[in-house]
Amino acid sequence: ETGVTQTPRHLVMGMTNKKSLKCEQHLGHNAMYWYKQSAKKPLELMFVYSLEERVENNSVPSRFSPECPNSSHLFLHLHTLQPEDSALYLCASSQYSSTWGDLTVIYGYTFGSGTRLTVV
Amino acid sequence: KQEVTQIPAALSVPEGENLVLNCSFTDSAIYNLQWFRQDPGKGLTSLLLIQSSQREQTSGRLNASLDKSSGRSTLYIAASQPGDSATYLCAIISGNTGKLIFGQGTTLQVKP
Repeated sequence: ETGVTQTPRHLVMGMTNKKSLKCEQHLGHNAMYWYKQSAKKPLELMFVYSLEERVENNSVPSRFSPECPNSSHLFLHLHTLQPEDSALYLCASSQYSSTWGDLTVIYGYTFGSGTRLTVV
Repeated sequence: KQEVTQIPAALSVPEGENLVLNCSFTDSAIYNLQWFRQDPGKGLTSLLLIQSSQREQTSGRLNASLDKSSGRSTLYIAASQPGDSATYLCAIISGNTGKLIFGQGTTLQVKP
């Protein structure tokens, strides 16, 4: 497989359930991201992982818990979600370098097809 | 705070027309700019990436320009086709974590 793969494609869960979203990239990139896309809103960055270390958490509620066990895999663990969390969750990867503490993107982002999450 | 705006929000044109989608951003200190396409209910497909040192990029019928000083980018689509119907998203890569900041997109419909 090539590119960025997300599973599952669709997920329906109750508010008391615990589920996980999975993302895998086959591009050799060193950074991975979770984005949320809600209806009629711009895509919102949730988490950034660079070299398996979380470098940004964009004020996301604790009911969303990311995990990056290695540079190719990224998970988003979900628990006690609310109906307003229903959205399309997109994973992305990119490759960038670090020069004097600044991270410069070398290549553009590659996105997965997303997981359509419905919380009932 | 960097903000990205896309105009128009929606556009409907007959097949064969040339068209321009606009993107503006408030902070000229960007690393690069990327244009994406999104089909309904699907993920994002990268169309063009413009590095901050570049002025434009071309791929087939698509041409994207970047003017950092004025905070603008345009996506030019030549000879539009019904298969071009989709939402087009402009995104700025900024900050030292390389995060993308998106506009709200332009939804394009090309009628046969």
